[in-house]
Amino acid sequence: KAGVTQTPRYLIKTRGQQVTLSCSPISGHRSVSWYQQTPGQGLQFLFEYFSETQRNKGNFPGRFSGRQFSNSRSEMNVSTLELGDSALYLCASSDITGGGYNEQFFGPGTRLTVL
Amino acid sequence: GNSVTQMEGPVTLSEEAFLTINCTYTATGYPSLFWYVQYPGEGLQLLLKATKADDKGSNKGFEATYRKETTSFHLEKGSVQVSDSAVYFCALTSTDSWGKLQFGAGTQVVVTP
Repeated sequence: KAGVTQTPRYLIKTRGQQVTLSCSPISGHRSVSWYQQTPGQGLQFLFEYFSETQRNKGNFPGRFSGRQFSNSRSEMNVSTLELGDSALYLCASSDITGGGYNEQFFGPGTRLTVL
Repeated sequence: GNSVTQMEGPVTLSEEAFLTINCTYTATGYPSLFWYVQYPGEGLQLLLKATKADDKGSNKGFEATYRKETTSFHLEKGSVQVSDSAVYFCALTSTDSWGKLQFGAGTQVVVTP
């Protein structure tokens, strides 16, 4: 099976702009989670989607939003970009079986630089 | 809430040395525990996992045992190689936190020839 793919791999934006990142999960995986990775804050959870519904959300401002499509592909959007939004954005997918969680598989990430 | 604490790095070792990275956690619900590895410029790769107390996860010579009594999940490898140089993350997810992995700060490991 193909792994998790994320596009684009690199982005450069300026303050005030908005950006959309895309994630395609492993075939058959219905849960998609997003994380922000920065040197100062480490890996922080943004949100999780399952069957087009957001089930969990981290402590990020409303400028960060996401959605999931019927084919489980997911997008996240950041509006009114700030310098501090520069980070590696990681997407992960999971195959939920039974009542619990299997491990999450990560994509290569999108490196966002805000100037 | 859930939290993960792991030893700070960088950890510098010579090839064939023994590696231990300490990880302790606090969690509500019933956590599953993971070790992920990140090589430069890449995403995270799952190294091993354990889903219940006393489970031992193992992969590529790495091992970790889920110790509920000490709330720990220490990573060990008996003989490291230069190719093991990377950043290692301890993480947990629990039944009351949908789709959220709680990560430790990461430990950079540098193995020299």
